[in-house]
Amino acid sequence: GAGVSQSPSNKVTEKGKDVELRCDPISGHTALYWYRQSLGQGLEFLIYFQGNSAPDKSGLPSDRFSAERTGGSVSTLTIQRTQQEDSAVYLCASSRRRDGNQPQHFGDGTRLSIL
Amino acid sequence: QKEVEQNSGPLSVPEGAIASLNCTYSDRVSQSFFWYRQYSGKSPELIMSIYSNGDKEDGRFTAQLNKASQYVSLLIRDSQPSDSATYLCAARFGAGSYQLTFGKGTKLSVIP
Repeated sequence: GAGVSQSPSNKVTEKGKDVELRCDPISGHTALYWYRQSLGQGLEFLIYFQGNSAPDKSGLPSDRFSAERTGGSVSTLTIQRTQQEDSAVYLCASSRRRDGNQPQHFGDGTRLSIL
Repeated sequence: QKEVEQNSGPLSVPEGAIASLNCTYSDRVSQSFFWYRQYSGKSPELIMSIYSNGDKEDGRFTAQLNKASQYVSLLIRDSQPSDSATYLCAARFGAGSYQLTFGKGTKLSVIP
């Protein structure tokens, strides 16, 4: 696709429910990143994929958070037993390859609200 | 703790003036630096990247990097009201790291 595509754009759910957020990177981009942005906070790194493997999961805040990537393309971020502090905008980015100088291009994000 | 610090602003400049946005970072082995622009409710959009000491110009934008002082800046010449946004500074720390560490952003308002 022309850009990074994320769905849903908005998600409202009750505390304790599981949610799945989807990211479709730019075609041909092998590196994929998840970040989240909370109100008043900067972007916070969650996890990085190169192909289907995740060499850096250091940003996942708890074991309720997991992510996978299949076919070197689409990625899903899953949050189990959601808590109110999980409310944030979840942003996905992709870059052309595993090269730290390659710029990361962001999708429009999923705004997650936990009631 | 690897950190990127920015003045949160708001920074207000008149239309046509030069806007100067500043960023400091904590780790001397930082490799790459990026400036993103984020309009309210929108995703970050890449403006500039810089990897070497000195200046890098692209249209009305100039990024400046001083690794000795651990300082990176973004100058916007001939500022326009459409430049009003939050500007995020990001750094990649370390050769084996691919994640970006972001500052909290500086809100810029260009007054017509």
